[in-house]
Amino acid sequence: NAGVTQTPKFRILKIGQSMTLQCTQDMNHNYMYWYRQDPGMGLKLIYYSVGAGITDKGEVPNGYNVSRSTTEDFPLRLELAAPSQTSVYFCASSPRPGTDTQYFGPGTRLTVL
Amino acid sequence: GENVEQHPSTLSVQEGDSAVIKCTYSDSASNYFPWYKQELGKRPQLIIDIRSNVGEKKDQRIAVTLNKTAKHFSLHITETQPEDSAVYFCAASSDYKLSFGAGTTVTVRA
Repeated sequence: NAGVTQTPKFRILKIGQSMTLQCTQDMNHNYMYWYRQDPGMGLKLIYYSVGAGITDKGEVPNGYNVSRSTTEDFPLRLELAAPSQTSVYFCASSPRPGTDTQYFGPGTRLTVL
Repeated sequence: GENVEQHPSTLSVQEGDSAVIKCTYSDSASNYFPWYKQELGKRPQLIIDIRSNVGEKKDQRIAVTLNKTAKHFSLHITETQPEDSAVYFCAASSDYKLSFGAGTTVTVRA
């Protein structure tokens, strides 16, 4: 198993550009999450999904959108990128929410200039 | 929502000494408390977790304690080694989601 994979690893965007961060897991987990980690800070939940076709907002959803058309994939869309979205983005998955381990992907380092 | 506070923000210990990190949470319904270790430029990795029906759990040099009444939990690392240097995050699970503390940077001095 590859676990949770994310692409790209690094990206530089100009203000106002858009992009999609890809996340795929091969563990057949129902629950998937997107976090952002600002320098020297903990992880903040952006969006999460409890299964294909079901998504919900986390703590910091503004400026982002998600979709979940399959169990494996959970892409994060940034529309009209802003410098405040400069961060490291982690995707995670879990077999069950609340009491099971969340497995993290390697992260995407995004810079908006 | 859940609010998790973590202390201290930085911790420097002599190799071989113990390190203790403390976290408090606000939602009494939280029932799962993982601890993650994150090395520079890497993803967070689970090192130990505890569920609300357990008061203490140990795995070799790492232990976690939970006090549900006081709503706090702690990470204890004994006989620290240079490879223990990293950022450690506590988290609490409420309503299917994890809320993370701000992290503790642990430095083990040789």
